Amino acid sequence: DADVTQTPRNRITKTGKRIMLECSQTKGHDRMYWYRQDPGLGLRLIYYSFDVKDINKGEISDGYSVSRQAQAKFSLSLESAIPNQTALYFCATSGQGGHTDTQYFGPGTRLTVL
Amino acid sequence: GENVEQHPSTLSVQEGDSAVIKCTYSDSASNYFPWYKQELGKGPQLIIDIRSNVGEKKDQRIAVTLNKTAKHFSLHITETQPEDSAVYFCAAVWGTSYGKLTFGQGTILTVHP
Repeated sequence: DADVTQTPRNRITKTGKRIMLECSQTKGHDRMYWYRQDPGLGLRLIYYSFDVKDINKGEISDGYSVSRQAQAKFSLSLESAIPNQTALYFCATSGQGGHTDTQYFGPGTRLTVL
Repeated sequence: GENVEQHPSTLSVQEGDSAVIKCTYSDSASNYFPWYKQELGKGPQLIIDIRSNVGEKKDQRIAVTLNKTAKHFSLHITETQPEDSAVYFCAAVWGTSYGKLTFGQGTILTVHP
């Protein structure tokens, strides 16, 4: 969905490096999410934010941190990248209609940690 | 928390056939079940959803059924077309866990012309 953009789309980095993945949205949504996708495991929630001042851990937050710089921007950082963080990362957004609100996903960032 | 199991992991059908993907969930408090389609190189996109007070929902060639007693729900695609080829994910929202989707493992659907 062009309303949710992620940069970079692909990144190769080395073990121990700090890396930031960025997400921007033009949908005007308050809620933003970071997911990780691994083959055979589906998508797993890393962090989520319901507004600029609200940050919450998901099911696999260890080794990651986030920053909500503005309503439209939500960044994911890997403090010291390790090979098992090689995965496809997705940002998503949703409105405030409640827990049934549709989540809109960005195109993903493919991260490889050597 | 919630656990969602999805089967099969791969599904191959001929164009025009039907395809069925099944998911089971663990928490009886789950009350919202969306299905997402992910095409190659893209993010997942919602295709249909169902709430726990409904047993079946249909949208053209796709339908979803929900059995709350057995805690399972299924995606049905009829008259499959090559453009239906993609990865499909089921998901569940647990109780008041607003926006916290738990996804199944995904099904790679291939429709052969």
